[in-house]
Amino acid sequence: GQSLEQPSEVTAVEGAIVQINCTYQTSGFYGLSWYQQHDGGAPTFLSYNALDGLEETGRFSSFLSRSDSYGYLLLQELQMKDSASYFCAVRDPGNTGKLIFGQGTTLQVKP
Amino acid sequence: GAGVSQSPSNKVTEKGKDVELRCDPISGHTALYWYRQSLGQGLEFLIYFQGNSAPDKSGLPSDRFSAERTGGSVSTLTIQRTQQEDSAVYLCASSLGETAIYEQYFGPGTRLTVT
Repeated sequence: GQSLEQPSEVTAVEGAIVQINCTYQTSGFYGLSWYQQHDGGAPTFLSYNALDGLEETGRFSSFLSRSDSYGYLLLQELQMKDSASYFCAVRDPGNTGKLIFGQGTTLQVKP
Repeated sequence: GAGVSQSPSNKVTEKGKDVELRCDPISGHTALYWYRQSLGQGLEFLIYFQGNSAPDKSGLPSDRFSAERTGGSVSTLTIQRTQQEDSAVYLCASSLGETAIYEQYFGPGTRLTVT
């Protein structure tokens, strides 16, 4: 089957850099997505990596290593508003319309 | 433009009653997805539509759950004979197509409480 592993919680201070890791096991791999969800809100798409390497979008970057079945989301210059849950997701190779989400990492940014 | 909308935003129902949840995707998005999220948990995939067709219904938790989509747009998720374990936030998402599955746009969700 398919599975994703993420840390359940991460804490960091404002202005710092934090890395949220995601390891996956899947029989077929098509890319790794990241979503952000504020408490009580809807998930919002952050990034997608299909190939190895780093993708940068403003303060957020996402990295993928397919050989290690591993990716991470890097958040720089942390702000209080970055406090949220972050989910990684992969496509189910047996169901072209199904995204499998990790259990999420709750990031708490402290002043 | 308008995002994904869902109604109602909140629904409280008695155990055993039927409920209908509605999703209006972003105009032009041909793929539509339903998820369920329990408090503090990840997203549980329920079903997806490409156009009006749902190729795989195996994610639906039981035969009390059904979904349809008409006109390639609005979708309804129906839960019959609701149970307390059905209490959760039901999220709908849409994407440009099946190939854009990685970039989904979510609605605000319907919080269902079964008493």
